[in-house]
Amino acid sequence: DVKVTQSSRYLVKRTGEKVFLECVQDMDHENMFWYRQDPGLGLRLIYFSYDVKMKEKGDIPEGYSVSREKKERFSLILESASTNQTSMYLCASSSTRRGSGNTIYFGEGSWLTVV
Amino acid sequence: AQRVTQPEKLLSVFKGAPVELKCNYSYSGSPELFWYVQYSRQRLQLLLRHISRESIKGFTADLNKGETSFHLKKPFAQEEDSAMYYCALPGGFKTIFGAGTRLFVKA
Repeated sequence: DVKVTQSSRYLVKRTGEKVFLECVQDMDHENMFWYRQDPGLGLRLIYFSYDVKMKEKGDIPEGYSVSREKKERFSLILESASTNQTSMYLCASSSTRRGSGNTIYFGEGSWLTVV
Repeated sequence: AQRVTQPEKLLSVFKGAPVELKCNYSYSGSPELFWYVQYSRQRLQLLLRHISRESIKGFTADLNKGETSFHLKKPFAQEEDSAMYYCALPGGFKTIFGAGTRLFVKA
């Protein structure tokens, strides 16, 4: 089974703090993603990466950055957390290899509260 | 532009009643569509994809290109079907998700 693991499930941070959300996948997937999940807004893509050291902006990249130094690890960074970044953050991975079926595999999510 | 619309944020049905979660899409070409589900305290996961033409947990979804729809249906809802459901449209590296429909199945 594909496993996407988000190391922090619940975080409470103060406004202005730097926040790191870590994600690891164990299926050698090329693609990794960070989404925000908010009620009524669905899943919104923040950033994605299709290879080591490669990153692309998603739909809502403002206030975020990412790092992918190793294939299995994709980090989301909030340089200066703000209250409007209080949300559930989902990491995900997928493969573009033949037969992968375009399926996205998600982590359990990280609940971030910024106070 | 590619788009996925789920018009209902919340759907409440009684146990044993039929359920239909609506999904409409905008896509030029032959789309590939998915339904993902998130049960309480579980991770978001694939429920079914149209290309497989299979029934998962009693749910089916038919792609209607004329109406650009991919509605999820189940003839007899169960309490354990209560969850958040997302319709999704893969497009290159980016999959576009609908806003989601929360299904409540009442006893």
